[in-house]
Amino acid sequence: GNSVTQMEGPVTLSEEAFLTINCTYTATGYPSLFWYVQYPGEGLQLLLKATKADDKGSNKGFEATYRKETTSFHLEKGSVQVSDSAVYFCALNNQAGTALIFGKGTTLSVSS
Amino acid sequence: DAGVIQSPRHEVTEMGQEVTLRCKPISGHNSLFWYRQTMMRGLELLIYFNNNVPIDDSGMPEDRFSAKMPNASFSTLKIQPSEPRDSAVYFCASNWGANTDTQYFGPGTRLTVL
Repeated sequence: GNSVTQMEGPVTLSEEAFLTINCTYTATGYPSLFWYVQYPGEGLQLLLKATKADDKGSNKGFEATYRKETTSFHLEKGSVQVSDSAVYFCALNNQAGTALIFGKGTTLSVSS
Repeated sequence: DAGVIQSPRHEVTEMGQEVTLRCKPISGHNSLFWYRQTMMRGLELLIYFNNNVPIDDSGMPEDRFSAKMPNASFSTLKIQPSEPRDSAVYFCASNWGANTDTQYFGPGTRLTVL
C-alpha cells in the first residue's frame, strides 16, 4: 500500500542553521508529493509540492526535490528562523480527488 | 476568499454525549475530507466526499461515527456516544478534486471527551 515515512522529531536548531527533514515514500504509480506545515494552534498549510520525478518544489526558502530513484522528498532550508518553528508533514497523493497520506510529522523548534 | 471554516474550535464533553462537528468547505470545491489527528496515530483520513457523495469511509472507526454532506457548502461529523479515546483534533479539508491534488485545511476542532 501507499505510505510515508519521515524522520522522528523533535528537531532543535539555532537560528540560521541548515535544516533537513527526511521523507521517504512507498506508492504505486507516480504520486504527487507535498510538504504541509502546521503552526501552533492552526490547521495545515501547503508549504510546497512536486508532481513528477526531478521536480523541485520551493516556497519561503524551503525546497524539496522529487527523487523517484530513492523514493524520497527531503525538505531543506539553508537558514532557519524562529518563525519556522512548527510541525512539518510529508504527504503523498496518488490520484486527484482522493485523500492525502501523511507521515507522522516532525516538530521543528528554532531558538534565537 | 474565506478558507475552510470549522466549528466549534474547541469542544469539551462528557463520555456518552453526542458531539457534532461542522465544516464549510471553500466555495466551488467539490471534494471534502475529514481527518483526525492524534499523538499516537498522527493524521488519518476518516471519510471523504466527492460532489456530496461519500466515496471512502473506511477510516471511520466504528458505528459511533457518522458523517453527512447534505449540500455542497456544509458537512457534519457526528459521534454518538462519545468516548475518551475520541479525544483528538478533527480537521476538515476541501479541494476541486477533478483538477488538483492540493487540499486546503480548516483550523480544526479540538475535541476533549472526559
